[in-house]
Amino acid sequence: QSVLTQPPSASGTPGQRVTISCSGSSSNIGSNYVYWYQQLPGTAPKLLIYRSNQRPSGVPDRFSGSKSGTSASLAISGLRSEDEADYYCAAWDDSLSALYVFGTGTKVTVL
Amino acid sequence: QVQLQESGPGLVKPSQTLSLTCSVSGGSISSRSYYWNWIRQPAGKGLEWIGRIYISGSTNYNPSFKSRVTISLDTSKNLFSLKLSSVTAADTAVYYCARDPRITIFGVYSGDGMDVWGQGTTVTVS
Repeated sequence: QSVLTQPPSASGTPGQRVTISCSGSSSNIGSNYVYWYQQLPGTAPKLLIYRSNQRPSGVPDRFSGSKSGTSASLAISGLRSEDEADYYCAAWDDSLSALYVFGTGTKVTVL
Repeated sequence: QVQLQESGPGLVKPSQTLSLTCSVSGGSISSRSYYWNWIRQPAGKGLEWIGRIYISGSTNYNPSFKSRVTISLDTSKNLFSLKLSSVTAADTAVYYCARDPRITIFGVYSGDGMDVWGQGTTVTVS
């Protein structure tokens, strides 16, 4: 029951910049931080961005996050073949009790 | 560093209870700094948060699971568990456990992004 909407796919050639959008509402993105996860094929998700625009240690600075109003974006600059993966945004939703909601997911293909 | 490992039956019959455990190594589940979460992912689909527990025993569950879900801690074994009752084929998925650092945001406790995940375990309901 994803309440965060992402485009199903995005693509680019090596070296290009790719941006993934995540659309939510005032009860989630509009009032809370956004998190981004990368899921390589056959593996568990990995935290890529926290607090909307912070990178955990070890995450390349090619990955950047931003938030404006009820939407957020993940940008991948200098696209590399190893970036081919599924990407999910996530946020806490205040509409009910604590509820963590994930986006619908975006498959990034490196052409 | 901290590692999480899910375990449990890979096959559960419809209407029965799915039971999984997540063993924590390299760190203590009794730490006051983390929430412990369960997330699932049906094959070819997206991620769904099931719920979380804190060392105090406080839990939060996704309303989608209504009263079917229970998450508990066993500090003596350094693990936490998931029980999902009355399962159907729709509960077939890869189940992940994950750690989420606990922070305060404007005076309210919150998670800060699931920074450590288990490798996942596949559960089939059939």
